[in-house]
Amino acid sequence: DTGVSQNPRHKITKRGQNVTFRCDPISEHNRLYWYRQTLGQGPEFLTYFQNEAQLEKSRLLSDRFSAERPKGSFSTLEIQRTEQGDSAMYLCASTLGPGLQPQHFGDGTRLSIL
Amino acid sequence: GQQVMQIPQYQHVQEGEDFTTYCNSSTTLSNIQWYKQRPGGHPVFLIQLVKSGEVKKQKRLTFQFGEAKKNSSLHITATQTTDVGTYFCAGSSNTGKLIFGQGTTLQVKP
Repeated sequence: DTGVSQNPRHKITKRGQNVTFRCDPISEHNRLYWYRQTLGQGPEFLTYFQNEAQLEKSRLLSDRFSAERPKGSFSTLEIQRTEQGDSAMYLCASTLGPGLQPQHFGDGTRLSIL
Repeated sequence: GQQVMQIPQYQHVQEGEDFTTYCNSSTTLSNIQWYKQRPGGHPVFLIQLVKSGEVKKQKRLTFQFGEAKKNSSLHITATQTTDVGTYFCAGSSNTGKLIFGQGTTLQVKP
């Protein structure tokens, strides 16, 4: 169990640029979740995959956000035309379904928009 | 939509004092999970409660799930400096997605 790995740890970019984050879940975990956390708040759910299928998306996820998990292993989260309000910590978590299981979180990617 | 509220937002205690954080949901929960996040770290799973009225203990930590499955609490007895961090409750849906409270940040003065 090597844990959930997220890259990069930090991303600083100018407003309007596109960014992509990667998440490598714990191997054999079939469920993968993306959350966004801002200072002083709890993580907010963005989207969820079971294997390669994206099964749920939050209304927080605007058209500028897209996530993929092409082979049911790692996942990417892309934000197009970044805005100041996108500045946050983006957390990935994985779990072995089905059922209600503890989620294992990565260290996150901190995005700062200049 | 479902909301999970947590109080207090901050708590400062002297080492050795007790600490409690409370969690309330706008809807009945199928289960509730508790996580701890250290400063600069990521949420780490502590425990899951499933049954109405359930009480679970982990050393100095006691977790309770309300009879109506809409509220929960975490109580720490005799806090230590290692207890510092933010404690989150989270209700989960059938898909497993978590709805987090805003957390209670605990500071412990030695």
